[in-house]
Amino acid sequence: ELKVEQNPLFLSMQEGKNYTIYCNYSTTSDRLYWYRQDPGKSLESLFVLLSNGAVKQEGRLMASLDTKARLSTLHITAAVHDLSATYFCAVDGQGAQKLVFGQGTRLTINP
Amino acid sequence: KAGVTQTPRYLIKTRGQQVTLSCSPISGHRSVSWYQQTPGQGLQFLFEYFSETQRNKGNFPGRFSGRQFSNSRSEMNVSTLELGDSALYLCASSSPGQGVYEQYFGPGTRLTVT
Repeated sequence: ELKVEQNPLFLSMQEGKNYTIYCNYSTTSDRLYWYRQDPGKSLESLFVLLSNGAVKQEGRLMASLDTKARLSTLHITAAVHDLSATYFCAVDGQGAQKLVFGQGTRLTINP
Repeated sequence: KAGVTQTPRYLIKTRGQQVTLSCSPISGHRSVSWYQQTPGQGLQFLFEYFSETQRNKGNFPGRFSGRQFSNSRSEMNVSTLELGDSALYLCASSSPGQGVYEQYFGPGTRLTVT
């Protein structure tokens, strides 16, 4: 059974600092996704990582994928308050349209 | 392109009742997946439909069912509602034929069972 684990689950940081969220998954998968969710809202797609070594960046967020280690990271650079949200990673279940999500990381950025 | 739409956005039901939720995918998308989000269990996959056929199913009881119509719109039904069914129900659409299996989520239906 595919399992996805994120850490940390809660992260409080100051504006201007850097930090990394980690996402581990238990079985082979070629596709990993990062989503953002604001309170009471739906999921917004951030990144789709399709192959080993893939790195994608958008603004202050950068995501990478190491399929051999079954690990993805979401790095936040010089955090700003607007990035406060819950971040989820998700992995395809055996190539099906069936995402298995991590628990989510609730990120709070304080001025 | 218009995004994924879900109706209704909010619902309050009583234990024992049944409920039907609707999802209209992005135009051209033929796959629709449903997820349940609760504080305790997080985001869990319910089922996926493609071309009116259920292709994948999660670990939910038979009270949860769904269907997809020829225009790709999908409905999910929950019968004999329980308090634990209170959740945000999200649907997502995708276009697998394009090789990138990215799923686009709708705004969700928040169901409260009293």
